Amino acid sequence: QKEVEQNSGPLSVPEGAIASLNCTYSDRVSQSFFWYRQYSGKSPELIMSIYSNGDKEDGRFTAQLNKASQYVSLLIRDSQPSDSATYLCAGGRASNTGKLIFGQGTTLQVKP
Amino acid sequence: NAGVMQNPRHLVRRRGQEARLRCSPMKGHSHVYWYRQLPEEGLKFMVYLQKENIIDESGMPKERFSAEFPKEGPSILRIQQVVRGDSAAYFCASKGTTVGTDTQYFGPGTRLTVL
Repeated sequence: QKEVEQNSGPLSVPEGAIASLNCTYSDRVSQSFFWYRQYSGKSPELIMSIYSNGDKEDGRFTAQLNKASQYVSLLIRDSQPSDSATYLCAGGRASNTGKLIFGQGTTLQVKP
Repeated sequence: NAGVMQNPRHLVRRRGQEARLRCSPMKGHSHVYWYRQLPEEGLKFMVYLQKENIIDESGMPKERFSAEFPKEGPSILRIQQVVRGDSAAYFCASKGTTVGTDTQYFGPGTRLTVL
């Protein structure tokens, strides 16, 4: 099993819909998780971090963490064409040097 | 600009040459991470440095790659005798020292092309 796993997509949703991006992780990844957005040819941009079980909301974005299921997700409400990008899920290693383990990324396409 | 800075943004080298990539962390940050993104692949950790110390280099290839973060000046990732397989985007990220802050902020990256 990969340490952080994402479905590469593409995930296609119509404008205004909710986009749901999912990520699973192994025991070797610690309990801090991050969602980054990466536009083609650009660098990763932090969207949200989540450390505790449950939901964390920031504007149109909600991150959800379920430690029992080793599952973290990102919901994007009212999706816009400008949300079209690759979304990277990352977790910290339990050894706590702070290095991040990234999933392959999920490509999101929001169609007008 | 208080963000993470990297230069050059694009670097072209011929096989066998050396590549030097520079990273200046955000103001107040003393933790620097280097990641590599090969074409159509995810980001892979390479090395973690603090000032004058390499903390974790478990992701660095054993040969030709080295990194430093001197007391003064930027962090440098050095690739000797580059090969075509080194062509990738190299990203630097920095993190602050506040307890409980794990968030890393990425620079714009250096895109290395080996001819």
